[in-house]
Amino acid sequence: QKEVEQDPGPLSVPEGAIVSLNCTYSNSAFQYFMWYRQYSRKGPELLMYTYSSGNKEDGRFTAQVDKSSKYISLFIRDSQPSDSATYLCAILDNYGQNFVFGPGTRLSVLP
Amino acid sequence: ETGVTQSPTHLIKTRGQQVTLRCSSQSGHNTVSWYQQALGQGPQFIFQYYREEENGRGNFPPRFSGLQFPNYSSELNVNALELDDSALYLCASSLAGIEPDTQYFGPGTRLTVL
Repeated sequence: QKEVEQDPGPLSVPEGAIVSLNCTYSNSAFQYFMWYRQYSRKGPELLMYTYSSGNKEDGRFTAQVDKSSKYISLFIRDSQPSDSATYLCAILDNYGQNFVFGPGTRLSVLP
Repeated sequence: ETGVTQSPTHLIKTRGQQVTLRCSSQSGHNTVSWYQQALGQGPQFIFQYYREEENGRGNFPPRFSGLQFPNYSSELNVNALELDDSALYLCASSLAGIEPDTQYFGPGTRLTVL
């Protein structure tokens, strides 16, 4: 079993839709949870991070963590064509040295 | 823009050659991590350097090595290149001691091994 698994995608939605991106992880010692966005031919950029179960909101983005189920989600409201990118979940191990990334979900928001 | 820069942008090498990739960290950051990202995959952790010492390593062979300099810039060296080494190589800088260890990525170096 991989440490971090992510919905395979690709995912295509119409502009304005609500998008749900999901990851599961296997190691309960993981403490910090991040979402990165990566545009084509660019490095990943940090969108949000959280370290507790529950929801964290930032503008149109909401990160949700359920540690009991080892499940994290990113919701994007009112999706825009500029949101078209690959979304990577990343989980930081408890030693603070190693980010474990999911394989990414490619999202296309169609105008 | 994160302030993390990498050079070169693209590189083509042949099997068996050696390559050096460079990274300049974001101002004030003292930790650098290197990742390999194959096409269609998430980044895979290679190693991390903190204050010029290796501070953790992923599942990569010893022919992947690195350096961090006093100004916190960094190099990734790969010897005896193999075809499977073709990938995007990303460096990420962060400031140790700040929780979480939020990493800021550079644009990457795309390495092609023929």
